[in-house]
Amino acid sequence: KNEVEQSPQNLTAQEGEFITINCSYSVGISALHWLQQHPGGGIVSLFMLSSGKKKHGRLIATINIQEKHSSLHITASHPRDSAVYICAVGRGADGLTFGKGTHLIIQP
Amino acid sequence: KAGVTQTPRYLIKTRGQQVTLSCSPISGHRSVSWYQQTPGQGLQFLFEYFSETQRNKGNFPGRFSGRQFSNSRSEMNVSTLELGDSALYLCASSKDRNTEAFFGQGTRLTVV
Repeated sequence: KNEVEQSPQNLTAQEGEFITINCSYSVGISALHWLQQHPGGGIVSLFMLSSGKKKHGRLIATINIQEKHSSLHITASHPRDSAVYICAVGRGADGLTFGKGTHLIIQP
Repeated sequence: KAGVTQTPRYLIKTRGQQVTLSCSPISGHRSVSWYQQTPGQGLQFLFEYFSETQRNKGNFPGRFSGRQFSNSRSEMNVSTLELGDSALYLCASSKDRNTEAFFGQGTRLTVV
């Protein structure tokens, strides 16, 4: 079993829909990262969380440390949000451990 | 503020050769981590350097090595290349461990 599980693996939605991507992890962590990767490979860091909730524009990330679960929400989704969203956890001395990613397609 | 710069962006090498990839972190960042991304395995941690010292290493063979210079620039080296080493290699810089990581665009290595 992977230490970091993301769901769904693939998601296709219509422009304007509210999107939720989930991430569950099985070990204690020091921080959780949400990353965005567009075709071509470059990765952008969206959020780093160790507790609570963060918001940036139309993106919201939450984490529940007790339940070892995090969610990434996109409000008023737009075709430019189409990308792979990756959850990664940091555990102090170890490097980041990544989920397999969620492939999101927003159709106009 | 300049981002993380990786060179080269694309590379084609033959089996058995060696390759060196470079990563220039954001100014002021002392931690550089390297990751390998393949379609089958996804993103995997290779190693982390901080102030010229390797702090941690992932589960990769000894053919994968790296170093960090006094200006925080880092290089990774892969010797005796195998077809399975074909991947996107990403580096990320941060001020320290457990702080926000900024990724470069990656080097896409193809081994033929």
